[in-house]
Amino acid sequence: DIQMTQSPSSLSASVGDRVTITCRASQSISSYLNWYQQQPGKAPKLLIYAASSLQSGVPSRFSGSGSGTDFTLTIGSLQPEDFATYYCQQSHSIPFTFGPGTKVDIK
Amino acid sequence: QLQLQESGPGLVKPSETLSLTCTVSRDSISRSSDCWGWIRQPPGKGLEWIGSICYSGKTYHNPSLKSRVTIYGDTSKNQFSLKLTSVTAADTAVYYCARIFVDRYYFDYWGQGTLVTVSS
Repeated sequence: DIQMTQSPSSLSASVGDRVTITCRASQSISSYLNWYQQQPGKAPKLLIYAASSLQSGVPSRFSGSGSGTDFTLTIGSLQPEDFATYYCQQSHSIPFTFGPGTKVDIK
Repeated sequence: QLQLQESGPGLVKPSETLSLTCTVSRDSISRSSDCWGWIRQPPGKGLEWIGSICYSGKTYHNPSLKSRVTIYGDTSKNQFSLKLTSVTAADTAVYYCARIFVDRYYFDYWGQGTLVTVSS
């Protein structure tokens, strides 16, 4: 199985901050990397697919980059509704696997 | 837009079978370009892919669940279902169904999730 790691596991930030979350795969997954946002008590929401493609309807302050084993999710200017947990997921190989999550909370 | 809704018992006894159904609205589960999947999340923990069904005729499941998983579809009702046998407390989780966009195998639409507790 491909193992996914994320760093940091949590972070505190203020509205307007630029936030970067890193995801690493245990082997190369090309650009088969997706990012999700999960609010408490809600289903995950797709933000970014194929490493850098913005899902329809997602604000442009979210961006993704990377390929191979190292990926980043960047929130350009953190908004109040962005305080949530973020997960990466590889779709290169079965079993599909998720990272452990990064919780973004208010400083 | 596409909607998915999970349904099934919220409480299952240990060693019994967990059965959930996902009803899909505003899309056809038999469209060959789509796959459909189940993902679960134990309370306070991360996400785990359980398995998927595609209308190319294939099903896939997470080997970590060994042979306990069955996923099947009912195109007449536009539903797909999950059966997980021999459940234990470790199977307590929120279970989500989702559509998989086949181009890059990402989960683009999700149900709201349903909590299943395994307890006697």
